[in-house]
Amino acid sequence: NAGVTQTPKFRVLKTGQSMTLLCAQDMNHEYMYWYRQDPGMGLRLIHYSVGEGTTAKGEVPDGYNVSRLKKQNFLLGLESAAPSQTSVYFCASRPTGLNEQFFGPGTRLTVL
Amino acid sequence: AQTVTQSQPEMSVQEAETVTLSCTYDTSESDYYLFWYKQPPSRQMILVIRQEAYKQQNATENRFSVNFQKAAKSFSLKISDSQLGDAAMYFCAYFSGYALNFGKGTSLLVTP
Repeated sequence: NAGVTQTPKFRVLKTGQSMTLLCAQDMNHEYMYWYRQDPGMGLRLIHYSVGEGTTAKGEVPDGYNVSRLKKQNFLLGLESAAPSQTSVYFCASRPTGLNEQFFGPGTRLTVL
Repeated sequence: AQTVTQSQPEMSVQEAETVTLSCTYDTSESDYYLFWYKQPPSRQMILVIRQEAYKQQNATENRFSVNFQKAAKSFSLKISDSQLGDAAMYFCAYFSGYALNFGKGTSLLVTP
C-alpha cells in the first residue's frame, strides 16, 4: 500500500514551458486535492475533486488546470509556467466520511 | 472563508520541557474539525492530532494534547517532554467542509 505518491519529486522549468504533475493514490479515496506551499505560508488549495470526472477551483486556481479521469489519479497542469509558480506542490486524498487528509511527499517546482 | 492564525512564527524549547503553540481561527459554523500537522525537514505532512468541535473533551495523543476553547475560537497544541525529533514546522488547520485551511505555521526548535 503506497498511499499517496507524486511524480516527479523535483522539476525545473523555464518560463513559458508546460508540465503535468501526477498524483496517484491506492486507497480508493473519493476526494483528492492539490495544494501549494510557499515560504512563510501555509498550504493553499489550488483545485480539488470530489470524485472521478469532477473538479473544482480552490483558493488559488489561476494558471493551473486539473483532471480526474480515473479515480486513483489527479493531474495538475501548468500550461505556461511563470516564476510565481515556483513552489512546493502537495497532493492529498481522503475517503468519504473521514475529514483526515493523507498527503503525498510533495513536488518541488522551480520556474526560471 | 475561514481564516486560521498562528501568531508565533518561531518557538524554542529545551529537551524534556513543555511547549505550547497557539492557533486561533475565525468561523461562523458550529460543527467543524481542527487539526495540527507536523512538517519535518523531510517535507512530509504528518497528522499530529485532531479535534471535533462538538466534543468538549480536549484531544490527546501520547505527548501531544490540545486546549480547545470553542467560544474563544482557540486551538493550542501542547507538546510535553519535548524530544529532538519534535523539531519541525507545525501547522494548524481548519476543515471547511471540503478542504483544509492552513495557518502560516510555527517553526519549533528543540535544543539539547
